[in-house]
Amino acid sequence: ETGVTQTPRHLVMGMTNKKSLKCEQHLGHNAMYWYKQSAKKPLELMFVYNFKEQTENNSVPSRFSPECPNSSHLFLHLHTLQPEDSALYLCASSQAGTSGGAGETQYFGPGTRLLVL
Amino acid sequence: AQSVTQPDIHITVSEGASLELRCNYSYGATPYLFWYVQSPGQGLQLLLKYFSGDTLVQGIKGFEAEFKRSQSSFNLRKPSVHWSDAAEYFCAVGTNSGGSNYKLTFGKGTLLTVNP
Repeated sequence: ETGVTQTPRHLVMGMTNKKSLKCEQHLGHNAMYWYKQSAKKPLELMFVYNFKEQTENNSVPSRFSPECPNSSHLFLHLHTLQPEDSALYLCASSQAGTSGGAGETQYFGPGTRLLVL
Repeated sequence: AQSVTQPDIHITVSEGASLELRCNYSYGATPYLFWYVQSPGQGLQLLLKYFSGDTLVQGIKGFEAEFKRSQSSFNLRKPSVHWSDAAEYFCAVGTNSGGSNYKLTFGKGTLLTVNP
């Protein structure tokens, strides 16, 4: 595997289900991100992890719970979601500490297409 | 707060024609600017980025972009479009969000259709 991988690629869940999205990066990076991509809206940053520590939570509802056990893996645990949470969830990684911070390139996975019924 | 505007939601060009996708940003300091491309069912792939120096930046797949500070713009160009360029294109600005953290703020994207 190379780059950033995400599983599953597609997920359908009911509002009472609990599921998890998984992201793995094979680039040796130390920062990982979750984004939400909804139709007709810009990508929304949800969470940032630097060196396994959560450094940003962009006012995300508590029904989304991230977990970063190590620098290579990132999870997004989902429970009691709403239909409006249906979207493409993208994971990204970067090498924090290079290029002065704001210029770090983020590498994206293919995303998980989530449908909440 | 920073923001990115991509004025064109959808653009259609003929194969072989030239392309320009517009991007305007709002940010008080020197921006770090990016263009990403997303093919259907795929994640985002970096085309090019601007940090400093030469305002004309070359990227992959024959794309280039020009940073114009006076116009707060970072437009993406390609002299001759190929059918495989059909995708959605996102402009983004990188900014520090406090301490060592930084974030990318994206525009809403421009969908490119290429006619044969």
